[in-house]
Amino acid sequence: SQKIEQNSEALNIQEGKTATLTCNYTNYSPAYLQWYRQDPGRGPVFLLLIRENEKEKRKERLKVTFDTTLKQSLFHITASQPADSATYLCALENAGGTSYGKLTFGQGTILTVHP
Amino acid sequence: SQTIHQWPATLVQPVGSPLSLECTVEGTSNPNLYWYRQAAGRGLQLLFYSVGIGQISSEVPQNLSASRPQDRQFILSSKKLLLSDSGFYLCAEGQDNEQFFGPGTRLTVL
Repeated sequence: SQKIEQNSEALNIQEGKTATLTCNYTNYSPAYLQWYRQDPGRGPVFLLLIRENEKEKRKERLKVTFDTTLKQSLFHITASQPADSATYLCALENAGGTSYGKLTFGQGTILTVHP
Repeated sequence: SQTIHQWPATLVQPVGSPLSLECTVEGTSNPNLYWYRQAAGRGLQLLFYSVGIGQISSEVPQNLSASRPQDRQFILSSKKLLLSDSGFYLCAEGQDNEQFFGPGTRLTVL
């Protein structure tokens, strides 16, 4: 069956360090993978999308890699700040067919950046 | 840009009571709309999606139903709530491979 796993339920790091979050998937052939940020009691907010033919994408202090051989995406936040503390979710949509933009989400990683 | 409204923000309902959650979208036409549920400490589970008025697809068998009476309105309903229906319900709109989420409704069934 299809499965998405975000390896760490929680990650604690010191301010200024790089946070690295992992998303692994099985039995998917994703056209793209997305990362979202969710603050407590609020809906997720889209951060980045990386396509199957892209290896890396950057946006300000964020970097996402996508390895379709390893079936893994890494999400990095460099020079982390306490304001980066939130739950980060990865999401996949299957390639091919008519999926109507349906996404399957991982369970999320709670990131806490300590001052 | 689009704006997604959901109400109510919080709701406490007894077991066996009916439910109606509403989602409306502004700033876009003919959107793909989605209902998700998020249980405490867990990821989002897709419940329903709709690609147009009156078109509803259910992702998982459950005690809930959805309707789309207008292009920008998406409603989640139940005739009789169960304890297991408690959770955080999120409406989302899909555009250009991104999904935009509403503020959510926190439902507690007692």
